[in-house]
Amino acid sequence: DTGVSQDPRHKITKRGQNVTFRCDPISEHNRLYWYRQTLGQGPEFLTYFQNEAQLEKSRLLSDRFSAERPKGSFSTLEIQRTEQGDSAMYLCASSLAGVNYEQYFGPGTRLTVT
Amino acid sequence: AQSVTQLGSHVSVSEGALVLLRCNYSSSVPPYLFWYVQYPNQGLQLLLKYTTGATLVKGINGFEAEFKKSETSFHLTKPSAHMSDAAEYFCAVSDRGNQGGKLIFGQGTELSVKP
Repeated sequence: DTGVSQDPRHKITKRGQNVTFRCDPISEHNRLYWYRQTLGQGPEFLTYFQNEAQLEKSRLLSDRFSAERPKGSFSTLEIQRTEQGDSAMYLCASSLAGVNYEQYFGPGTRLTVT
Repeated sequence: AQSVTQLGSHVSVSEGALVLLRCNYSSSVPPYLFWYVQYPNQGLQLLLKYTTGATLVKGINGFEAEFKKSETSFHLTKPSAHMSDAAEYFCAVSDRGNQGGKLIFGQGTELSVKP
């Protein structure tokens, strides 16, 4: 068990560009979550999947954000037409629903939009 | 809607002193309760959780927390602070009705430990 991994760890992009992040959860976990954390704040929920199904999306997730988990394993989070306000740490977590309730977090992807 | 309040964005203690980080939640039904720790530029690590049963829960690194339903609180304590405890601490809750589900976090408390 290698834990939750995220790629890339850091991304610098220019305003208006599209970016995509990847998350690989713990292999037997059926739930996968995305959070966003800005400096000095707690993480804010964006969306989560159970297997392939996207079960909930936050109002924070504007039309420029899309997340997928096509085979119920890894997930991608895409941000289109990035804005400076998108600069944040994007955290991924996974859990096993119905067995335990804690979420295991990856190291995060730090996005800087210039 | 659920919410979490952490009293004190910064707490400073001396090495060897008691650590007390406060967390109160707002929910009509007691949620699942968690404390996470975050070191700079890293993800979050679970310290401890309360789901059911004994209201005093013990976690890693000598931390413990007590769920008090009447006070809607889940304060984190450690009898003797160590320099390595310096980090950001987050209290979080999730809905019992969804086998957990999304976490709602407090704003965090930065713990400093003075030698």
